[in-house]
Amino acid sequence: ETGVTQSPTHLIKTRGQQVTLRCSSQSGHNTVSWYQQALGQGPQFIFQYYREEENGRGNFPPRFSGLQFPNYSSELNVNALELDDSALYLCASSFGTSGGGETQYFGPGTRLLVL
Amino acid sequence: QKEVEQNSGPLSVPEGAIASLNCTYSDRGSQSFFWYRQYSGKSPELIMSIYSNGDKEDGRFTAQLNKASQYVSLLIRDSQPSDSATYLCAVKYQAGTALIFGKGTTLSVSS
Repeated sequence: ETGVTQSPTHLIKTRGQQVTLRCSSQSGHNTVSWYQQALGQGPQFIFQYYREEENGRGNFPPRFSGLQFPNYSSELNVNALELDDSALYLCASSFGTSGGGETQYFGPGTRLLVL
Repeated sequence: QKEVEQNSGPLSVPEGAIASLNCTYSDRGSQSFFWYRQYSGKSPELIMSIYSNGDKEDGRFTAQLNKASQYVSLLIRDSQPSDSATYLCAVKYQAGTALIFGKGTTLSVSS
């Protein structure tokens, strides 16, 4: 069974740039959730994708957007990067029959530094 | 505003002792409760889930849930230095898709 994978592991960008983070869900899972974790904080929910549609969104501006592909992998895109976007970005996969799924399993994360 | 509160710690216990980690949540509509362990620089790793009032045991770990008091706890018996990590409490609300996390409690187990 393949676990959740994310790429890249680390990324350095400058303010105003755009970034794309990628996630492959665990085998058998159909739902992907994205979280942002700032240093010393718990993960904050960005959004979730189920059957290629956004299935819930946290308190993040529209410059945070995403996609889910037919193979259930997902991308997180962030436009117009700000210094405060520096964080660990976590992807979590789960299985759900009506959206959402129950237990979420996290990938290794992508650490983004915005200079 | 749905909130999950944890004592940030650090909680320090000697090797072999019982570590007790606590979490409170604000919304009575909460349905599912999870404990994750996060080592420094790593991603959260699921330890346990609990859905019903009472205790749930898995090896050295016991999760306790009291919905009336809006309280969930994690007990770690026979604590080991390898248990030193940040423990995150997460709550899923009935109509929600997201996990709402606390800020985590840092546990330090000394040998």
